[in-house]
Amino acid sequence: GAVVSQHPSRVICKSGTSVKIECRSLDFQATTMFWYRQFPKQSLMLMATSNEGSKATYEQGVEKDKFLINHASLTLSTLTVTSAHPEDSSFYICSASGSRIRGLRVGAFFGQGTRLTVV
Amino acid sequence: DAKTTQPTSMDCAEGRAANLPCNHSTISGNEYVYWYRQIHSQGPQYIIHGLKNNETNEMASLIITEDRKSSTLILPHATLRDTAVYYCIVRVTGTASKLTFGTGTRLQVTL
Repeated sequence: GAVVSQHPSRVICKSGTSVKIECRSLDFQATTMFWYRQFPKQSLMLMATSNEGSKATYEQGVEKDKFLINHASLTLSTLTVTSAHPEDSSFYICSASGSRIRGLRVGAFFGQGTRLTVV
Repeated sequence: DAKTTQPTSMDCAEGRAANLPCNHSTISGNEYVYWYRQIHSQGPQYIIHGLKNNETNEMASLIITEDRKSSTLILPHATLRDTAVYYCIVRVTGTASKLTFGTGTRLQVTL
């Protein structure tokens, strides 16, 4: 399958600071990236969908000013959690889909996830 | 909302086949059935997908009923490393089509 790399895998930050999470597609062009959040013992909840070069579409209840998403290139999307609070502590996961160089479609593949702890 | 129904949990003895059912009675004609699994504290891993024909790959087999209202994921020889939460998702094809996760089935493989 295709490779999606997410960094960092784990981060601890102080309340009020901002944290940036990177998601890279390593062997395909990701025209669309998805960001999910997962609380303990719960399923993945979609936060937003971003297409390369355009603004992200946020799911209902997700604050776009708090969770800034940038998808400036076909291989990189970033999620920035601004003014983090302890309730933002969660497992954040990106997913990317697009096409390989020869145009073959690639399904949705996921990064390894980022465990964010806000203290 | 997720369009699939799965049992909350299942157990399977190591070496035996694990059969994980999924109901998707409202599936549309252009929606595929996807299966992913999530091992603890990792991102979901793609397993297999299909439209209406049965599919097989190196990881698993997917059996879809003729009316497409249900499917079964088969892990032919389960190992301890297959212990995970398995998600059945229906989704239209296309790179911009999002995946909506339900609660999944927690499969526990035991000795």
